Parts: sequence; structure tokens; C-alpha cells
Amino acid sequence: RKEVEQDPGPFNVPEGATVAFNCTYSNSASQSFFWYRQDCRKEPKLLMSVYSSGNEDGRFTAQLNRASQYISLLIRDSKLSDSATYLCAVIRMDSNYQLIWGAGTKLIIKP
Amino acid sequence: IAGITQAPTSQILAAGRRMTLRCTQDMRHNAMYWYRQDLGLGLRLIHYSNTAGTTGKGEVPDGYSVSRANTDDFPLTLASAVPSQTSVYFCASSVNRDRNPYGYTFGSGTRLTVV
Repeated sequence: RKEVEQDPGPFNVPEGATVAFNCTYSNSASQSFFWYRQDCRKEPKLLMSVYSSGNEDGRFTAQLNRASQYISLLIRDSKLSDSATYLCAVIRMDSNYQLIWGAGTKLIIKP
Repeated sequence: IAGITQAPTSQILAAGRRMTLRCTQDMRHNAMYWYRQDLGLGLRLIHYSNTAGTTGKGEVPDGYSVSRANTDDFPLTLASAVPSQTSVYFCASSVNRDRNPYGYTFGSGTRLTVV
């Protein structure tokens, strides 16, 4: 089992809908959490850091559930431009600050 | 330069040839990383450097070497390229400290094809 797991998708979602996906992590020593967005043939770019209290940035909301060891990303009022692969990443206390990556969830927003 | 610059952006390389992928950052980040990304396998760490003068092996280091002579540069060398090294290569950097909310910054990648 991988340390950080994501449903690879693809999630096919109509424009304007709300979509959510999770990322589970197996090591309870994980301390920092991130969502990255990667467009086709481009580099990953930081979308959001995920804080213990949860955080929101416009249409995007990230949540952390330490008890169940997962983070979630909610996208409201989805746009065609939200189509991308969403990668989650975690830092463990003993990983020397290295990010441990999920393989990504592919999201396709359809008109 | 703003952020991380990788060169070349793409390359077709004959098997057996030596090649160096260049990576330069201007953010004074102490840590730098090389990843390869293959379809369905996600990002896999090749080598990393926590600070200038030190390097370490990642998940898939075989066939690759790195050096970190200064803070800004982190070149990746393929000593004798093989077709299985065909991939997209990303360089990244970060500030290594507790509760760093900024994660990694990535370069735009090098698309390498070994034939």
C-alpha cells in the first residue's frame, strides 16, 4: 500500500457542479499537507496548503481529518478551467521535510 | 530568472550518450529535488539536496547522479542514457523548515526521449 493514496479518476463533472475528492495518508506522523494542481504537460503548482482548521480560497475548500487520516478538496461551481490533475502531498515529521506524493486525481469538467 | 529554470525544455537523446539536465533557482531555497514523472506512476524522487554541498538518493536513483556546488544550481546527469529513462523530469526547490506553508516550487520540466 502506498503511503499517500488518491483515486486516480477521472472524475467527469458537469460545469457548475460541486466536486470533492479525498487523499488518504497512512503515516500518523504526517504534519503538513498540500494540494497541487497539474495541467497536462505542465509542472505541478501549489493550489492550497491544508491547515488543521481547514481553509478556503474562493471556490476551493480544503479539509484535514487527522482521526481518519485524510485530506479533502472541495471545488464549488466548477469551471471548465478546473480540468486538471490534482495531487496531494504530505510531509512527515521524520521525512526531512520531503514531500510524499499521491499519484493524483484527474478531473474533467464538461460543458 | 524568476523561480526555477530548467534546460533544455525537451531533448531527443541517443542511447548510451551522456546528458546533463540543468536546474537553476533564484529564490535562495536551501533544498532542491529532481523528480521523474511517468504516466500512471506519479512523481518519483530521483535525488535531492537539503543544502549546498550535500546530496541524497531518492526512490529511483540508479543511472543518475547530481551535484550541488552552490545554492542555486542542481544539475542532473545521465551517465549513459537508456530508453527506460524516457520521461518528463522536474526540478523543484523548497525552504526546509517546520510548518513551511509554501511547499515546493517546480521548474517547467524537461521532456527527455531516449532512442
